[in-house]
Parts: sequence; structure tokens; C-alpha cells
Amino acid sequence: DIQMTQSPSSLSASVGDRVTITCRASQTINSNLNWYQQKPGKAPKLLIYLASSLQSGVPSRFSGRRSGTDFTLTINALQPEDFATYFCQQSDITPQTFGQGTKVEMK
Amino acid sequence: QVQLQESGGGVVQPGRSLRLSCATSGFTFRTYAIHWVRQAPVKGLEWVAVISSDGSQTNFADSVSGRFTISRDNSKNTLYLQMNNLRVEDTAVYYCARGNPRWDYLDHWGPGTVVTVSS
Repeated sequence: DIQMTQSPSSLSASVGDRVTITCRASQTINSNLNWYQQKPGKAPKLLIYLASSLQSGVPSRFSGRRSGTDFTLTINALQPEDFATYFCQQSDITPQTFGQGTKVEMK
Repeated sequence: QVQLQESGGGVVQPGRSLRLSCATSGFTFRTYAIHWVRQAPVKGLEWVAVISSDGSQTNFADSVSGRFTISRDNSKNTLYLQMNNLRVEDTAVYYCARGNPRWDYLDHWGPGTVVTVSS
């Protein structure tokens, strides 16, 4: 199975900060990397698909980038509603696999 | 709008069975693969299974292979997950999610149903 190594596992930030989360795949997954946001007690919500495409309705402060097998999610100008847990996921090869998650907490 | 709604969760003893359902609306169900993903308490996300749009192909995580089966009724726009020989470690919130037809990312999720396996 493809291993997805996500970092950091948690971070503290303030409203207005720029936040970057990284995900590394254990082998090539092309650009089949997706990012999800999850709030407590809720289902995950798709933010970014195919490494850098913004899902409809998602604010433009979210962006994604690929460099080989390294992927980043960036949140520019963090908003109060962005405090949540973020997961990366590869959908290139079955079984799909997820990163361990990054909890973005208020500083 | 696109909606998925899981049901059938509950408390069950180890070794017993449970069937989850995922009722859908707002899209052409028969043209989409549907996945099950689970999340154990205070844990990350684990992909469980997928069924192709026509039901002819299925795939399972190693952790459930041989114990879980997945099926769909395209006339009812509903997906099923039959879980047999349940283990304590199957305790989780179970989500059904729609797979994008071309790239298979999970673009819409249900709110989840809780399965607790305990003696």
C-alpha cells in the first residue's frame, strides 16, 4: 500500500496567518492527491483535488501544490472557520490511503 | 443537491453481523462508484471498500477483506455494506462517499453512521 506521511500532526496559528501542511507519498501517485477538511463530529469535506484544483465553493485562500511525491496545502490568511483537521489522500492506486491528519488549532 | 445518508449502525457483539445502507439522491447514482471510509474514535481516516458504478467490480481493504461485502441497488439509488464476523477494531464511524467518475476523489460524503463492536 502507498504510505502517506503528513506533517505536522498539529500546529497552532492565529487568524490571518499563512499555514502550510505537507504530505509525502511513498511512491509516485502522479497528481492524484486530494485534501479534505474535517470539523469535529462532521464528515470530511473535499477542498483540493488532483493536487491543485480547487473544489467548487471552496474559498480561494486554499491552494495546493505538487513537487514530485511531495504535496502541500496552503491556507492564506487563516479564518476562524478554518480551525479544523486536514487530511491528504491518494486516489491513484487502490487501496486509497490517507495521511494521519493535521489539526490546526488556535494559538 | 447531492446527498448521501448512511444508516444501520449500532452496537453489536464481536462475531456478529451488521448491514449498513447508504441512500443517495440528487445525482445519477448508476454512473458513480461509491466508497466506504471509516474513522475509529479519535483516529484518522481508513478507506474500507469501493464498488464500481455497475456493481461488477469491488475492492476491499486488507483489514476487512473476506468479512465485508459491498453491493448496490441502482434501482433504489442505495449502497450496502454487509459486515460479518465483526471485531472490536471495526468500531468506527462509517461514511459512504461518492467517487469522481474519472479521478475517483471523494467529492461528496454522507454524515456517517456509528458502529460499536463490544461485548
